[in-house]
Amino acid sequence: EAGVTQFPSHSVIEKGQTVTLRCDPISGHDNLYWYRRVMGKEIKFLLHFVKESKQDESGMPNNRFLAERTGGTYSTLKVQPAELEDSGVYFCASSQVANTEAFFGQGTRLTVV
Amino acid sequence: GENVEQHPSTLSVQEGDSAVIKCTYSDSASNYFPWYKQELGKGPQLIIDIRSNVGEKKDQRIAVTLNKTAKHFSLHITETQPEDSAVYFCADITDKLIFGTGTRLQVFP
Repeated sequence: EAGVTQFPSHSVIEKGQTVTLRCDPISGHDNLYWYRRVMGKEIKFLLHFVKESKQDESGMPNNRFLAERTGGTYSTLKVQPAELEDSGVYFCASSQVANTEAFFGQGTRLTVV
Repeated sequence: GENVEQHPSTLSVQEGDSAVIKCTYSDSASNYFPWYKQELGKGPQLIIDIRSNVGEKKDQRIAVTLNKTAKHFSLHITETQPEDSAVYFCADITDKLIFGTGTRLQVFP
């Protein structure tokens, strides 16, 4: 069974550009989460999808971040326009039951220069 | 808001010694406490978890203890090996996973 996969693994973009991160959850997992780890700090919650609906987006830092999960399968997280402080590792996770055992992808390392 | 404090931030031990990482949570409604291990270039992997109706859980060399009164929970690794070297995160859940700040464990051969 495939785990959670994220693409790309690394992205380097200039300030002001747009970047789109993709997450494919484990098949059959209705719950999908986005997290971010900035500069070696804690892993911070961004948002939670249940199928295609946003259950909780309280962690989204500002309106430059847009997450979608059309059809309730894969999800994308778009940052537009990117700022220097957006640099970090973005993790996606999925779970069968909400807020229990969550499986993480390998992360996307985003560097904004 | 909800937060989880984790100590120490770094921990160096000799191979074969034990390692203990401690976390404190703030929300008394928390009832599920997972521990994640993150190796270089990989995402966090669940290694053990404990629920609030249990005080201790063990899986081979790894054990977790929970003190609900004090809102503390700890990860214990015995007979450490170099491959245990990684960043360990505690977390708790009420309506979402809240992570601690992480502990970088180095096991020297």
